Amino acid sequence: GAVVSQHPSWVICKSGTSVKIECRSLDFQATTMFWYRQFPKQSLMLMATSNEGSKATYEQGVEKDKFLINHASLTLSTLTVTSAHPEDSSFYICSASGPVNTEAFFGQGTRLTVV
Amino acid sequence: RKEVEQDPGPFNVPEGATVAFNCTYSNSASQSFFWYRQDCRKEPKLLMSVYSSGNEDGRFTAQLNRASQYISLLIRDSKLSDSATYLCVVKTGGFKTIFGAGTRLFVKA
Repeated sequence: GAVVSQHPSWVICKSGTSVKIECRSLDFQATTMFWYRQFPKQSLMLMATSNEGSKATYEQGVEKDKFLINHASLTLSTLTVTSAHPEDSSFYICSASGPVNTEAFFGQGTRLTVV
Repeated sequence: RKEVEQDPGPFNVPEGATVAFNCTYSNSASQSFFWYRQDCRKEPKLLMSVYSSGNEDGRFTAQLNRASQYISLLIRDSKLSDSATYLCVVKTGGFKTIFGAGTRLFVKA
């Protein structure tokens, strides 16, 4: 089946630095990718929808200047957390979606800890 | 109102019990529906798609009620390994994938 690879699986960074997370679809072309964030014991929250070749669409309350999303190709989307702070520590997951009646495929997730 | 709503639980049930979860969605134009399972600190994994006529996969039965805009998941003969968070997922025509908050299930011996 389709595979979505997310890297890194975990990262620890200092407050104020930026962190880039990559999401790759390995065997299909993902015109649309989604980025989610999940805090402990909470649900997955959609952050933004990323369409290849265009600007990402951010959900209400998500700072687009802080969470930079780039989707330059049909197989790669990146999320950059800029000037990270401890409150950005979370589990970030990407997913790539095929046609409307097919499941969403998830990356393995990235556990970000900002110290 | 949230686009997809679930009872967060937790549901605490003994082994062998039957348990059911419901999920309501607000967008009547939603086109496809899924149940995902998420284990602690892991990414969600597809449990089953939900078809209009209802579908069954072993101990799991999923149903869709478009008129009332809800989907359900029934788990029979619960196992300890069924303990997880179950996520209701709805896709709209624009490929937007919306997750419910999840229902936590604990199956106890």
